Formats: sequence, C-alpha cells, structure tokens
Amino acid sequence: EDQVTQSPEALRLQEGESSSLNCSYTVSGLRGLFWYRQDPGKGPEFLFTLYSAGEEKEKERLKATLTKKESFLHITAPKPEDSATYLCAVQATNTDKLIFGTGTRLQVFP
Amino acid sequence: GAVVSQHPSRVICKSGTSVKIECRSLDFQATTMFWYRQFPKQSLMLMATSNEGSKATYEQGVEKDKFLINHASLTLSTLTVTSAHPEDSSFYICSAIPIYEQYFGPGTRLTVT
Repeated sequence: EDQVTQSPEALRLQEGESSSLNCSYTVSGLRGLFWYRQDPGKGPEFLFTLYSAGEEKEKERLKATLTKKESFLHITAPKPEDSATYLCAVQATNTDKLIFGTGTRLQVFP
Repeated sequence: GAVVSQHPSRVICKSGTSVKIECRSLDFQATTMFWYRQFPKQSLMLMATSNEGSKATYEQGVEKDKFLINHASLTLSTLTVTSAHPEDSSFYICSAIPIYEQYFGPGTRLTVT
C-alpha cells in the first residue's frame, strides 16, 4: 500500500535556527514527490516537485532533496513568516492522484 | 499563473439542506479536478476525481449520492453536499492540474448547524 509518513509532527524553531523536515514514503512506482505549504484556513501552496533520487530543488530558504525512500525539506535561517504546515505528497506512476502525509507544523519564533 | 478559485469561502447551512461549492481554474483548462476534505489538524483526504464530460470517480468510503460532483466545463467543477448533517462540517478543497503539478484552491469552510 502506498504510504507517506512525515516527521516531526510539530517543530518549534528560533528565528535563524536551521532544521530539516522528513518525509518517508513507500510507493509502488514513484512518479513524483511534492512539497506544499499550507497556512491556517487556506489551501496548500505548491513548493517543489522531485522526480528521481538525488534530485534537489531550492527556493529562498527552502531546499528539498530526494532519496529512494525519503525526502527532506531543509529550512535555512528560518523567519517567523516561514511558520506554516508543510505537506509532503507522492504520486504513483499511471495516476494523477496524490497521497498526502499528515504534515509538519512549523513555528518559528523571533 | 495556475490559479484555482473556490466559491464560497465560507458557508453555514442548516441540517437537511444542500450546499453547492464551485471550483474554477482561472487561467488554464482542466479536464481533471480533484476534491479533498480536511479535518482540523489533519491532512488532506481525496474524496473524488472530477472528469470533464464524464462521471466522477469516488474514493472508497465516499458516498456518491451524498457528495454530487459535476464537471460542467473545462474550467468549472461543482461539489454539492446533499442533505447535509453536522458531521459533514469540514474544510473542502479542490485542485486542478495545468500541466503536471496539482494547484489548490483556497478552500471552503462548511459548517452545518
């Protein structure tokens, strides 16, 4: 069964304190792994798509990496405005469906 | 680009009534749209896949007669919650695919009293 597990469930960081969020997955055949950011009461905002092991993508303070079993979202020198829930999702081959993890709630304090 | 809108953003209805939620792709055409449901502090659960010009495909455990989906055009899908009950209260989110990635609407908060 295709499955996505994210850890930690919640993370509290001081402003400037870098850290990583983990997304472990099992899927019959990976078509793509997606990272989204979701603010309270809003829909998810697309961040990255990763397709194959070894791939990395960056956007401002965020960097996403992918291996055959997991993905990491690295946050460098976070700011309070980075506070949100970060969702990971996988897409298996031959489908457009996404399977989401439960997310990591990030709080960054000044 | 890749903007998806939803209407309304919030709706309160009485138990037993029906509520319609619209999902529109504003700057692209979408043959496929998706409807999700999200409970507080939980992740997104796919309810159904909406296909333009054909019947929607529902996930296991989702009542198709309760959650009616109509994909009337390449830019509009609607979700109608029929005979709503308080347990249908939730955050409903749609998404669409302009090229490959799914882009999400802002969500609709449904409260059934």
